[in-house]
Amino acid sequence: GQNIDQPTEMTATEGAIVQINCTYQTSGFNGLFWYQQHAGEAPTFLSYNVLDGLEEKGRFSSFLSRSKGYSYLLLKELQMKDSASYLCAVKDSNYQLIWGAGTKLIIKP
Amino acid sequence: IAGITQAPTSQILAAGRRMTLRCTQDMRHNAMYWYRQDLGLGLRLIHYSNTAGTTGKGEVPDGYSVSRANTDDFPLTLASAVPSQTSVYFCASSGTSGAYNEQFFGPGTRLTVL
Repeated sequence: GQNIDQPTEMTATEGAIVQINCTYQTSGFNGLFWYQQHAGEAPTFLSYNVLDGLEEKGRFSSFLSRSKGYSYLLLKELQMKDSASYLCAVKDSNYQLIWGAGTKLIIKP
Repeated sequence: IAGITQAPTSQILAAGRRMTLRCTQDMRHNAMYWYRQDLGLGLRLIHYSNTAGTTGKGEVPDGYSVSRANTDDFPLTLASAVPSQTSVYFCASSGTSGAYNEQFFGPGTRLTVL
């Protein structure tokens, strides 16, 4: 079967750095996406990785290792507004997105 | 309209009733999707459409039907609602169904079936 694993919840301090991990087992791989979802709102796109390595976009970076079936999202200089759920999703061989359950990130002052 | 709209925002429905959730996008995207989101579970694909006139089944299609008569609209119908269909429903669209195409999401419909 297809599976995406992420921690259920993480806590971090304002101004700090946090790394959210995602491991996957899917039938085929056509890229990995990270989305942010604030409570009661729709998911919004953060990043896309299809090749191994690090993609940096401002305070957010995403890393991919296809051989290990592993990705992480790195958030720097945390702000209170970063409190949200972070969803990892993999596009499989049928070009459908398989979603993890999401990691709820709590930022404390 | 800007992006994707969904209606209604929320609905309480008696079991056995028929319900259509509406979704409209103005981005001229070819691909559209319906997901449900339940606590502790990832988004699960119900149905999708790669282009107007075609539809396909996702991971959890039972009890739901869709149509795609034109590019903009992608309604989801529950023929006879059951309590297990209580969920938040998101409609999404993307330029195509290819590898790199981020999906844009509507604001969601919160459905409660009693």
